[in-house]
Amino acid sequence: NAGVTQTPKFQVLKTGQSMTLQCAQDMNHEYMSWYRQDPGMGLRLIHYSVGAGITDQGEVPNGYNVSRSTTEDFPLRLLSAAPSQTSVYFCASRGPGQGASGYTFGSGTRLTVV
Amino acid sequence: KNEVEQSPQNLTAQEGEFITINCSYSVGISALHWLQQHPGGGIVSLFMLSSGKKKHGRLIATINIQEKHSSLHITASHPRDSAVYICAPSRNRDDKIIFGKGTRLHILP
Repeated sequence: NAGVTQTPKFQVLKTGQSMTLQCAQDMNHEYMSWYRQDPGMGLRLIHYSVGAGITDQGEVPNGYNVSRSTTEDFPLRLLSAAPSQTSVYFCASRGPGQGASGYTFGSGTRLTVV
Repeated sequence: KNEVEQSPQNLTAQEGEFITINCSYSVGISALHWLQQHPGGGIVSLFMLSSGKKKHGRLIATINIQEKHSSLHITASHPRDSAVYICAPSRNRDDKIIFGKGTRLHILP
C-alpha cells in the first residue's frame, strides 16, 4: 500500500548511543519532514526536506541530523542520544501545491533513552 | 503566545451529539489541516482547506481566513470518533506546518 513507512516502531537506547530512524515513502512526494511529539506539547518540526539533496532545520533540530539522497528516503540520525530525546517521532510527506490532499504520516517510532 | 490555539482541550460527549472543535491562529497561512490521532498513535489527515468548507461523511471543516479561525464539526458522533484532533496551519512566510496541542475527544456509548 502506498504511504509512509517508518522503522523501527519501538527503540530503547542508552545515553550516548547513536541510531537512525528510517522513513520511506512511495508517493513521489518532494516534501518530507520529521516531528517529535511530547506529552502536553504539540508536534514540533525537527528537520524537513523539499526535495532530494535539500534539507533544512525546523523548530528543534539540535541533536539530530538528516540527509535526503533520494526522493523516497529521509532518515533521521541521533548521533549521541540523550534522555531529552525520549519522545515519539513521526515522519510525514506531502504532495505538491495547494491541490495536495494533505500530509501523510508514518505510524511513528517510540524512542526511549535511558 | 502560541501561534495556534485549540479549544476545548478535552471534550466528553454522549453518542449522537454534535461536536465542535475550534482553532484560532495568529499568523498568515496558505492552508489549514485537521488531523486525527487515535489512541494507538497513528496520525491521519482529515482535511486540508484554504477557504470555505469541506465535508467528508460526518465530518465538516470550515475556515474563515479574515477571522483566522477554523472549526471541525462531527455530526451524529460515535464512540469510534474518540481521538485527539489536531489543527495545523501552514504558515505563509515559510510554508511550514505548525500544530495546535490538540483536542482530546471522548464519545460515550
